[in-house]
Amino acid sequence: GAVVSQHPSRVICKSGTSVKIECRSLDFQATTMFWYRQFPKQSLMLMATSNEGSKATYEQGVEKDKFLINHASLTLSTLTVTSAHPEDSSFYICSARVNGIFGYFGPGTRLTVL
Amino acid sequence: DAKTTQPNSMESNEEEPVHLPCNHSTISGTDYIHWYRQLPSQGPEYVIHGLTSNVNNRMASLAIAEDRKSSTLILHRATLRDAAVYYCILRSNNNDMRFGAGTRLTVKP
Repeated sequence: GAVVSQHPSRVICKSGTSVKIECRSLDFQATTMFWYRQFPKQSLMLMATSNEGSKATYEQGVEKDKFLINHASLTLSTLTVTSAHPEDSSFYICSARVNGIFGYFGPGTRLTVL
Repeated sequence: DAKTTQPNSMESNEEEPVHLPCNHSTISGTDYIHWYRQLPSQGPEYVIHGLTSNVNNRMASLAIAEDRKSSTLILHRATLRDAAVYYCILRSNNNDMRFGAGTRLTVKP
């Protein structure tokens, strides 16, 4: 099946710094990628939908200036958490749509902000 | 968006069948029913999906009610590796997928 990778798998940063998370589709082209956030013992929450070559669409309550999404190619989308704070600590997961049918999920990136 | 309702948790014995229910009474005619499962600290793993007819694959079976207001994921012989949180999701026309709380399946040896 299709494979989606994320990098890094784990990152620890200081409060106030920015962190970039990459999501790659390894063996297919993904015109649409989705970013989710998951807090401990909770379900995944959709943050934004990223379309290649256009601006991302953010869910209500997600700050677009804080969570910058770039989908510059058909195999790469990036999520940058700007000026990270401890409350941004979470498990970030991307998903890529294939053939318009269903999504393949990445392994996730655990962000810890000190 | 159409929502799904699942039991918070279920238990099963190893090598016995497991039936995981999902209610989606507000499903629209074009919504696909997807099932994913998630192990701790991993991304969700695709299990199965369907629209109207029952579906079978190597991992599981999906039984969809005639009125489509409910569905059941069937694991024919549970193993310890099947212990996970199982999510029943409706994929809407705009193709995004929104997760509910899911069912935490515990498999006892």
